[in-house]
Amino acid sequence: AQSVSQHNHHVILSEAASLELGCNYSYGGTVNLFWYVQYPGQHLQLLLKYFSGDPLVKGIKGFEAEFIKSKFSFNLRKPSVQWSDTAEYFCAVSHYGGATNKLIFGTGTLLAVQP
Amino acid sequence: KAGVTQTPRYLIKTRGQQVTLSCSPISGHRSVSWYQQTPGQGLQFLFEYFSETQRNKGNFPGRFSGRQFSNSRSEMNVSTLELGDSALYLCASSWGQGQGGSPLHFGNGTRLTVT
Repeated sequence: AQSVSQHNHHVILSEAASLELGCNYSYGGTVNLFWYVQYPGQHLQLLLKYFSGDPLVKGIKGFEAEFIKSKFSFNLRKPSVQWSDTAEYFCAVSHYGGATNKLIFGTGTLLAVQP
Repeated sequence: KAGVTQTPRYLIKTRGQQVTLSCSPISGHRSVSWYQQTPGQGLQFLFEYFSETQRNKGNFPGRFSGRQFSNSRSEMNVSTLELGDSALYLCASSWGQGQGGSPLHFGNGTRLTVT
């Protein structure tokens, strides 16, 4: 079955600390990969996406993610977090090349950044 | 440009009743998807519509249905409500089908509580 695993459910960091959130997927085929973020009281919004090409993708607000095909992973990173990064982060996967918007989401990681 | 608009924001219904949720996509977007978000199951895909046709459906019972109108606005309906249907229902729109160059834009959701 297709699935996405986010192993960190709750992460607490101090400002300026580095961040890495894990994401692994199980999918029988080529995939598109995404990270979405939900800030408190706001809607889900796209942080970054990977379709093909360079496995290191850069997104908004200094976030980046690396696709490692052999490990079925797409970890999210940021070298120095800010208090404003406090949010819930969701990893998601869809079928590459498919004419569908169906996303399979992980259960999310709640990040709290302490000032 | 206005974002994805979902109405109502909150709903309280009784078991056995039915409910209709509405979604107005971003102007020009032709694809609308629906997701159910719960603390236990996370974000789960319900269905997606493109040009008034259902293109994909998630693993939900037939009590969950939807439709899309010619102006791309969409509604979803849940009949014979159960306590387990309590959730945040999210609508997302995009310009076309697939994730090629058009990410999903999410609304703020409709919070449904079934008592």
